Amino acid sequence: NAGVTQTPKFQVLKTGQSMTLQCAQDMNHNSMYWYRQDPGMGLRLIYYSASEGTTDKGEVPNGYNVSRLNKREFSLRLESAAPSQTSVYFCASSQSVEQETQYFGPGTRLLVL
Amino acid sequence: GQSLEQPSEVTAVEGAIVQINCTYQTSGFYGLSWYQQHDGGAPTFLSYNALDGLEETGRFSSFLSRSDSYGYLLLQELQMKDSASYFCAVDSSYKLIFGSGTRLLVRP
Repeated sequence: NAGVTQTPKFQVLKTGQSMTLQCAQDMNHNSMYWYRQDPGMGLRLIYYSASEGTTDKGEVPNGYNVSRLNKREFSLRLESAAPSQTSVYFCASSQSVEQETQYFGPGTRLLVL
Repeated sequence: GQSLEQPSEVTAVEGAIVQINCTYQTSGFYGLSWYQQHDGGAPTFLSYNALDGLEETGRFSSFLSRSDSYGYLLLQELQMKDSASYFCAVDSSYKLIFGSGTRLLVRP
């Protein structure tokens, strides 16, 4: 089992460009999450999906959109990237939102110039 | 508002015991989690406390006092590989709210 996988690993964008970060899990988990982590800080929740077909905003949703494509996949889209979105993005999954253990992917390092 | 406070950095000697504290103020509380993150890596789950008291998992223990809005992570028999960042996270209405992390440096 690969666990949680993310693509790409690294990306450089120019201000105003768009891109989609992909995430997939093979643990048959119901819930999936997107976080961002800025240097020296903890993770902040962007969006989450409690179950297939549902998505909800987290702490910092502005400038992002998400799609729960199916039970396995949860993508994060930046429509018009800004330098403030330079960060490391982590996807995570859990059996359900009630489960305390979240499993994280390796992260995507994004630089917006 | 919601806030979690933990020390930014702790240094300890190999073989010693270290305690990382976490105080929190959140609108909803279901439990306190701890995650470990090595530089350049992903966070990995260590422990979870929903009720007051001590939970032990090998060399790591975690404590919670709901009345004091306080918890700690205790690492025993420190090893060099324990050098990492440790995050407390409050389980608040099905969302995890993370602290800023404590960087632990283990010296020989």
